[in-house]
Amino acid sequence: EDKVVQSPLSLVVHEGDTVTLNCSYEVTNFRSLLWYKQEKKAPTFLFMLTSSGIEKKSGRLSSILDKKELFSILNITATQTGDSAVYLCAVRAYQGAQKLVFGQGTRLTINP
Amino acid sequence: EADIYQTPRYLVIGTGKKITLECSQTMGHDKMYWYQQDPGMELHLIHYSYGVNSTEKGDLSSESTVSRIRTEHFPLTLESARPSHTSQYLCASSVTDRAFFGQGTRLTVV
Repeated sequence: EDKVVQSPLSLVVHEGDTVTLNCSYEVTNFRSLLWYKQEKKAPTFLFMLTSSGIEKKSGRLSSILDKKELFSILNITATQTGDSAVYLCAVRAYQGAQKLVFGQGTRLTINP
Repeated sequence: EADIYQTPRYLVIGTGKKITLECSQTMGHDKMYWYQQDPGMELHLIHYSYGVNSTEKGDLSSESTVSRIRTEHFPLTLESARPSHTSQYLCASSVTDRAFFGQGTRLTVV
């Protein structure tokens, strides 16, 4: 059964700190890994990764995938209170309806 | 960002009532999904659709049913609501790997 595990489940840091969120997966016929940010309701898209070792970057956020070791990390530098949210990792496989399988999420709290 | 809409946003309803949660998207996406999410927990897929007249049950067993008569519309129905159905329901659509989510419906059954 496809599985996605995120760690830590919860993280509290001070504004300005750098954080690293982890996502490991077990998926048959891996196709892509996606990161989402969920603040109140709808998850909003951050990154999609398909190739190992290629960093995706958007402002203070960056992410990289290791397909050999089956994990991805999401880095946030110089954190701000607006970064407080639940960060979701999801993996899509080639078979079936290419369903997205989600991890439990990491609840990140940035204190001023 | 994305044109996918869910109504109602919040619903409080009595046990035994029949309810339909609406989801519509204007992007022409073939694939649509319903996820259930309890507070602080992960999203669980309960239904998905490849396209018109195609629906499948997801990984999490659900007493709800869905239909896909039109590409843009993917409603979810509970014939007889129970307190155990209290949760947040998120609808999503995709054409490639990236899924777009609606704002969700927070359902409370009393």
